[in-house]
Amino acid sequence: QVQLQESGPGLVKPSQTLSLTCTVSGGSISSGGYYWSWIRQHPGKGLEWIGYIYYSGSTYYNPSLKSRVTISVDTSKNQFSLKLSSVTAADTAVYYCARGPLGIPGSFDLWGRGTLVTVSS
Amino acid sequence: QSALTQPASVSGSPGQSITISCTGTSSDVGGYNYVSWYQQHPGKAPKLMIYEVSNRPSGVPDRFSGSKSGNTASLTISGLQAEDEADYYCSSYTSSSIVVFGGGTKLTVL
Repeated sequence: QVQLQESGPGLVKPSQTLSLTCTVSGGSISSGGYYWSWIRQHPGKGLEWIGYIYYSGSTYYNPSLKSRVTISVDTSKNQFSLKLSSVTAADTAVYYCARGPLGIPGSFDLWGRGTLVTVSS
Repeated sequence: QSALTQPASVSGSPGQSITISCTGTSSDVGGYNYVSWYQQHPGKAPKLMIYEVSNRPSGVPDRFSGSKSGNTASLTISGLQAEDEADYYCSSYTSSSIVVFGGGTKLTVL
């Protein structure tokens, strides 16, 4: 059974870079068939799509975050990662990693539990 | 790309049916059959309930159904149960190859 688990610092200082990793267990990122996404949820608010990556390395980002976001994949570790630069308090949110079936864009059939990242000095 | 428009809240009594709407544009909801619906209970990760407008993943009760007309998609829950009380979000693929979510709808089971 495939599972996703987010990891990374829960507290980041303003202007620094937020870095999170999603570890995929029970299945291989390299097997293809899926794209791998990051989605966030501000406290008490709705969902915001950040971007996704195919195992080949192709990426698509939310235009509102594109200048600050990098999503990468490490197939040897079966992980994919999120980097968000120049963070402010507005980036405080629960960050989810999620899997989407290739061929059904915009659908996320498996989610991690989420990790709260607070931006504060 | 603007978020999709959902009602902030809907409510219904056990056994009744409710419908949640999700309105977009011809560049997202109206242009593709890639609308999904998610259920989120407090403190939990979202769960996929509907994909490709009207398809249910394995394990999702057939009380949940989806449809689309023009630029508006809808999620209908029939035979409402207490455990259906949750937040519901729609999402759509867009002409820019990105994904947009709706603002979410809080379902209250009276």
